[in-house]
Amino acid sequence: GAVVSQHPSWVICKSGTSVKIECRSLDFQATTMFWYRQFPKQSLMLMATSNEGSKATYEQGVEKDKFLINHASLTLSTLTVTSAHPEDSSFYICSAFGQGDNSPLHFGNGTRLTVT
Amino acid sequence: GENVEQHPSTLSVQEGDSAVIKCTYSDSASNYFPWYKQELGKRPQLIIDIRSNVGEKKDQRIAVTLNKTAKHFSLHITETQPEDSAVYFCAASYSNYQLIWGAGTKLIIKP
Repeated sequence: GAVVSQHPSWVICKSGTSVKIECRSLDFQATTMFWYRQFPKQSLMLMATSNEGSKATYEQGVEKDKFLINHASLTLSTLTVTSAHPEDSSFYICSAFGQGDNSPLHFGNGTRLTVT
Repeated sequence: GENVEQHPSTLSVQEGDSAVIKCTYSDSASNYFPWYKQELGKRPQLIIDIRSNVGEKKDQRIAVTLNKTAKHFSLHITETQPEDSAVYFCAASYSNYQLIWGAGTKLIIKP
């Protein structure tokens, strides 16, 4: 079945630094990928929709200059948290629909970001 | 736009009993309704889904029902087991492009 790989699974960084998270579709092409943030005991919050070859679509309230998304190929999307602050500490998850009209949404394993 | 409401936020049932989680949606154009299970610190996993041309779908101990007229759908888990403990999310989609998520239900199975 379709597999979405996300890396790294966890990262600790200092305040003010930037962190890049990669999301890859391993056995299918994904023209669209989704980036979510999840705080403890809360639902998934869609941050942005990543579109291959074009600009990402950001949800209201999400700073596009802070959360840079690049979708340069059909199998790779990256999320860069720039100038990270402790309040950016969260669980970030990417996802993509598999190929085919009835394919479900597949998630990466998520990245636990801790900003100290 | 679409809005999905999920209830209850927490559900505690005795092992072996049934659990029911309910969701309502607002956009009558929605046609795809998946349910995801998320264990602590892990990614959501699809457990069952239903499309609007079907009223009910079952997979072993898990079933989903859809009432298009009332715009609600439910997850039913029978003969609950400890490993069913997790957070369950419902979602709705009309474009197969973006899912609108419910707030989640924490299911606790008491031994």
